[in-house]
Amino acid sequence: AAGVIQSPRHLIKEKRETATLKCYPIPRHDTVYWYQQGPGQDPQFLISFYEKMQSDKGSIPDRFSAQQFSDYHSELNMSSLELGDSALYFCASSSRLAGGTSSYNEQFFGPGTRLTVL
Amino acid sequence: AQSVAQPEDQVNVAEGNPLTVKCTYSVSGNPYLFWYVQYPNRGLQFLLKYITGDNLVKGSYGFEAEFNKSQTSFHLKKPSALVSDSALYFCAVRDPSNTGGFKTIFGAGTRLFVKA
Repeated sequence: AAGVIQSPRHLIKEKRETATLKCYPIPRHDTVYWYQQGPGQDPQFLISFYEKMQSDKGSIPDRFSAQQFSDYHSELNMSSLELGDSALYFCASSSRLAGGTSSYNEQFFGPGTRLTVL
Repeated sequence: AQSVAQPEDQVNVAEGNPLTVKCTYSVSGNPYLFWYVQYPNRGLQFLLKYITGDNLVKGSYGFEAEFNKSQTSFHLKKPSALVSDSALYFCAVRDPSNTGGFKTIFGAGTRLFVKA
């Protein structure tokens, strides 16, 4: 079965550079979530989108922005990168359609993008 | 706000012995509870979930969890631990978002070491 795809899997950037992380949800999933997991930390919710509109916002810095496109893939744009942005960034997708495992908005996580800021 | 607590940073157990990883939760309304496992340099893998129904939930790799409403707990268990179970385990709760969806709130994680 198709899973959530994230690209790139690894990314190395310098301070003050920009980075774009991409997430391709499971087909027919309409909701995308972004999480940030710092070294030795638990994943923290950043932002989510439902049907291409922002649906919830967590601890996302102002330097970051995200959007969901017409094909439901999402991109997390990160500017003025700081050393503290080094983390594993997870994307998850879910569907609000009733029935089956999606009836409770179960989230399926991607493998993550590991961002290292030097 | 919904939250979960994992009181143990680390759990050590000998291979073949039963293991328990503790989790307590605080939610308003019906809890949607999850356990995830994370191996080094890997993503999050879903283990099991409790939505409704039987309090004992069976999941992947022989893991199970018991939902206890009176104690607001959702401890992860396995009758016989394997060295390969050594990983980081996260308890999580679904938190309703502003517009009807859910976001996942994770516990701090418990590192499980299984010694041969």
